[in-house]
Amino acid sequence: DTAVSQTPKYLVTQMGNDKSIKCEQNLGHDTMYWYKQDSKKFLKIMFSYNNKELIINETVPNRFSPKSPDKAHLNLHINSLELGDSAVYFCASSQDLEGFPSYEQYFGPGTRLTVT
Amino acid sequence: KQEVTQIPAALSVPEGENLVLNCSFTDSAIYNLQWFRQDPGKGLTSLLLIQSSQREQTSGRLNASLDKSSGRSTLYIAASQPGDSATYLCACAGGNNRLAFGKGNQVVVIP
Repeated sequence: DTAVSQTPKYLVTQMGNDKSIKCEQNLGHDTMYWYKQDSKKFLKIMFSYNNKELIINETVPNRFSPKSPDKAHLNLHINSLELGDSAVYFCASSQDLEGFPSYEQYFGPGTRLTVT
Repeated sequence: KQEVTQIPAALSVPEGENLVLNCSFTDSAIYNLQWFRQDPGKGLTSLLLIQSSQREQTSGRLNASLDKSSGRSTLYIAASQPGDSATYLCACAGGNNRLAFGKGNQVVVIP
């Protein structure tokens, strides 16, 4: 059974297009995250949602808009794609936001986005 | 801002040797520290999580230690196997459980 799933696994598109990546977790977790892994393999957080509420919004262009229809889903919509958006995007979830004990994050398999 | 450094960036060891991977972080105000494994083209697999109040965690051949005061964590992998070849990522959980990652230790275990 897949715990955190993402679709699509690969996404190739042209500059200027709008695309979405979907994420679902069946772990019953309260918090979901989006991370970006660039060409140098460096992972950085982009957003997090707790019970459908935006908690973390890092310095990300406003072309990126997360949407959480319910606490099991966190989708990432990207407008006007640019070459620099090419990366692997990972979704993750955890049981709680912070405090003790703090819970581990479970990651999805990633979506490799290539913008040409 | 939390900065996480992993040394060495890459290493190769013969099968059977013990692996020692180092992680250092600049801000000791962390909730936990997680070690992940990433295989090429794959997602992240959580290996161990150490709460801020703990000193170490063990799972099978893996042992991770945490010294918050000095801002260091070490992942030990005993009796390495070719299947241990992967990139190992260290991540510190700060406010709102945001993870700050290091750039990873790329490990090759030579049969």
